[in-house]
Amino acid sequence: DAGVIQSPRHEVTEMGQEVTLRCKPISGHNSLFWYRQTMMRGLELLIYFNNNVPIDDSGMPEDRFSAKMPNASFSTLKIQPSEPRDSAVYFCASSVDRGNTEAFFGQGTRLTVV
Amino acid sequence: KQEVTQIPAALSVPEGENLVLNCSFTDSAIYNLQWFRQDPGKGLTSLLLIQSSQREQTSGRLNASLDKSSGRSTLYIAASQPGDSATYLCAVPLGGNDMRFGAGTRLTVKP
Repeated sequence: DAGVIQSPRHEVTEMGQEVTLRCKPISGHNSLFWYRQTMMRGLELLIYFNNNVPIDDSGMPEDRFSAKMPNASFSTLKIQPSEPRDSAVYFCASSVDRGNTEAFFGQGTRLTVV
Repeated sequence: KQEVTQIPAALSVPEGENLVLNCSFTDSAIYNLQWFRQDPGKGLTSLLLIQSSQREQTSGRLNASLDKSSGRSTLYIAASQPGDSATYLCAVPLGGNDMRFGAGTRLTVKP
């Protein structure tokens, strides 16, 4: 397996534009996580899916953020409209099941909103 | 509230040295503890996962230990190499939904 695949690797966009980040989890993994990493706050969980269903989205900072998982092999994180303070590295991770098993991370998407 | 602390924040050692990275957590009721490596500009690579019932895990030159009662884990790197230079993070799950990460230790191994 190629691991967790995220695209794009880098995204530079203007304030107010819509941004869509994509993630393909490892085949067979039931849980998918979206994280955001900043220097100030470290790694923070944004949302967590189990069997394609959003379980916990309490980490989503604002209504401008939304995430979907239409099937077991694809998830998107959308920011609309984007703001400069959204600039961060966004990671997607997957695991066989929540909690007790190892989490595997994608390479991340570095988002810069200017 | 679970807090995860890593000490030191940065460490620089000459090649060949054995070293220990420390991770402490405030709530000992954890399922497991995971150590990651992060290279600059890249994602996190899982190094070792220790289940709550285990005391240590080994992978090559890496050995991670877990002492739940004292809220501590250590990552031991034997015979360090310049290629080991990276940031090392420990993380514990919170109720199975979230993972709380430490701030990381930035390791530099000098040739």
